[in-house]
Amino acid sequence: ELKVEQNPLFLSMQEGKNYTIYCNYSTTSDRLYWYRQDPGKSLESLFVLLSNGAVKQEGRLMASLDTKARLSTLHITAAVHDLSATYFCAVGSYNTDKLIFGTGTRLQVFP
Amino acid sequence: DAGVTQSPTHLIKTRGQQVTLRCSPKSGHDTVSWYQQALGQGPQFIFQYYEEEERQRGNFPDRFSGHQFPNYSSELNVNALLLGDSALYLCASRPPGGRDTGELFFGEGSRLTVL
Repeated sequence: ELKVEQNPLFLSMQEGKNYTIYCNYSTTSDRLYWYRQDPGKSLESLFVLLSNGAVKQEGRLMASLDTKARLSTLHITAAVHDLSATYFCAVGSYNTDKLIFGTGTRLQVFP
Repeated sequence: DAGVTQSPTHLIKTRGQQVTLRCSPKSGHDTVSWYQQALGQGPQFIFQYYEEEERQRGNFPDRFSGHQFPNYSSELNVNALLLGDSALYLCASRPPGGRDTGELFFGEGSRLTVL
């Protein structure tokens, strides 16, 4: 059964610092999603990575995918308080809408 | 353009009761999926509907059932509610051809509390 692991589970970081969230998955997959969730809210789509070596950037966030290593990273550059949220990675494939989500990384950015 | 809309936003039920949750997909979307998100966990796939049929199902008991209507909207029904069914229920929709782009849009969810 496909398993998706994120680390760290909790991340407290100072504004202006850089950090990376890791997402490992156990079996072959052809797409990787990153979502953001604020408390009590729904999932906001950040990135969809569709191929090996894919890299996407939006503002202070950059996501990459290595399908051979079964690893995706979400890199945060010069964190600001507004980035405080829970970040989920999820693995899917072309032939299904079933996504397998990781446990989430709760990010807190403090001054 | 309205996104994925769900109703009700919050509801409280007691054990043994039945509940129906509703979802209207984003305009132009024809495929709907449902997810259950327990507190502090990632969402879990319940099932997917396309052309008014259940196409794929996750590891959920038969107490969880659904329906898709000709206008693509969908319902999730849960019978014989258990305390463990307390969760945020999320609906996601995808447009035709969405598999090529991987687009999947989530609604705000329905928060169910079972007492």
